[in-house]
Amino acid sequence: GEDVEQSLFLSVREGDSSVINCTYTDSSSTYLYWYKQEPGAGLQLLTYIFSNMDMKQDQRLTVLLNKKDKHLSLRIADTQTGDSAIDFCAEREMDSSYKLIFGSGTRLLVRP
Amino acid sequence: DTAVSQTPKYLVTQMGNDKSIKCEQNLGHDTMYWYKQDSKKFLKIMFSYNNKELIINETVPNRFSPKSPDKAHLNLHINSLELGDSAVYFCASSQPHGAGVTDTQYFGPGTRLTVL
Repeated sequence: GEDVEQSLFLSVREGDSSVINCTYTDSSSTYLYWYKQEPGAGLQLLTYIFSNMDMKQDQRLTVLLNKKDKHLSLRIADTQTGDSAIDFCAEREMDSSYKLIFGSGTRLLVRP
Repeated sequence: DTAVSQTPKYLVTQMGNDKSIKCEQNLGHDTMYWYKQDSKKFLKIMFSYNNKELIINETVPNRFSPKSPDKAHLNLHINSLELGDSAVYFCASSQPHGAGVTDTQYFGPGTRLTVL
């Protein structure tokens, strides 16, 4: 069945780069997303990538997609304390349901 | 000018009670969703409506009944609340597009339900 996995925790120093990894199982996924959740808040879209792309850059964010290995990564350059949050990757099903399957989330802690 | 709003933000209630959570979106989207986030932050789809019609029901107990009076609103009614229903419930909306165009889901701020 569908499954999305992420490491649970990442700690980096302010100014360093962060790399958050995600693996998924559904090879028919059309879009893959990264969402951010700050404490007590809802989910905010960070970026997304279409499945026919290998890479997407959006300011400090770089998404890499390896379809063969079903591996997705999010690199945050010059990580700031405001980036501290739980980052979720999600895959969108190919069928007409439009539902998102979320990973367990990676808690990113940025140390000053 | 909130895009997706939910009420209430917090809900504390006794086991066995019936409660409702409301969701409204002003984005003009056709599709709305309810997700449940448990204490370990795991997020799972519960329901999805497209233009007031149910398109996803992910084996959620019958005690949960979504209602969509119009495409801008999707409410969640829960009967006979149980301890295990304690969670944060998120509403979301999106506008389905054709191939090659993403239908990003926009999330509400969440409703934290605590069942005592």
